[in-house]
Amino acid sequence: QKEVEQNSGPLSVPEGAIASLNCTYSDRGSQSFFWYRQYSGKSPELIMSIYSNGDKEDGRFTAQLNKASQYVSLLIRDSQPSDSATYLCAVPHSGGGADGLTFGKGTHLIIQP
Amino acid sequence: KAGVTQTPRYLIKTRGQQVTLSCSPISGHRSVSWYQQTPGQGLQFLFEYFSETQRNKGNFPGRFSGRQFSNSRSEMNVSTLELGDSALYLCASGLGPIKTGELFFGEGSRLTVL
Repeated sequence: QKEVEQNSGPLSVPEGAIASLNCTYSDRGSQSFFWYRQYSGKSPELIMSIYSNGDKEDGRFTAQLNKASQYVSLLIRDSQPSDSATYLCAVPHSGGGADGLTFGKGTHLIIQP
Repeated sequence: KAGVTQTPRYLIKTRGQQVTLSCSPISGHRSVSWYQQTPGQGLQFLFEYFSETQRNKGNFPGRFSGRQFSNSRSEMNVSTLELGDSALYLCASGLGPIKTGELFFGEGSRLTVL
């Protein structure tokens, strides 16, 4: 059973601060990693993808990957109230079969004005 | 460019019935995957189809089945409905298999089983 673990939160962060969201995964063979944002009552939307160890920056978002530690994180700089949502870590697993794509249960982020 | 379209958006069924949900992917997308979302279990993978072939299937009972047509539209079927099947069923499309990139989700079909 391939697993993706996230702290469910809620994670409360003051406006303007850095929000740090973490995710660990069990499949050492995984090669790609995705962060989705889901607003309440809406569908998930992709905000970041990362494939190589290190950091990947896109605007206020930075994804960090450490395959040795099986750890991927998402940093949101200058947090805005509009960033309040649930953030889902998604890992497509190697080997196919029943492991196609596993989502973490998500971290509920609240940005306090 | 039209997004992923799922029908119906809401439906109510009783135990023992069956249901068919439909998903039309974004034009040009060949990959369709299905997910079940519940408050307790989160988003769980059901199936992945690419070019009419099922590539992967999640850990769900055989009552859950699906298919993809030549125009990439997909359907999923749940037979002998149980109360625990009440959930939001999301469909996502992509240019390639789910390992390779971005998924675009539809608004979902909310199923209530009474």
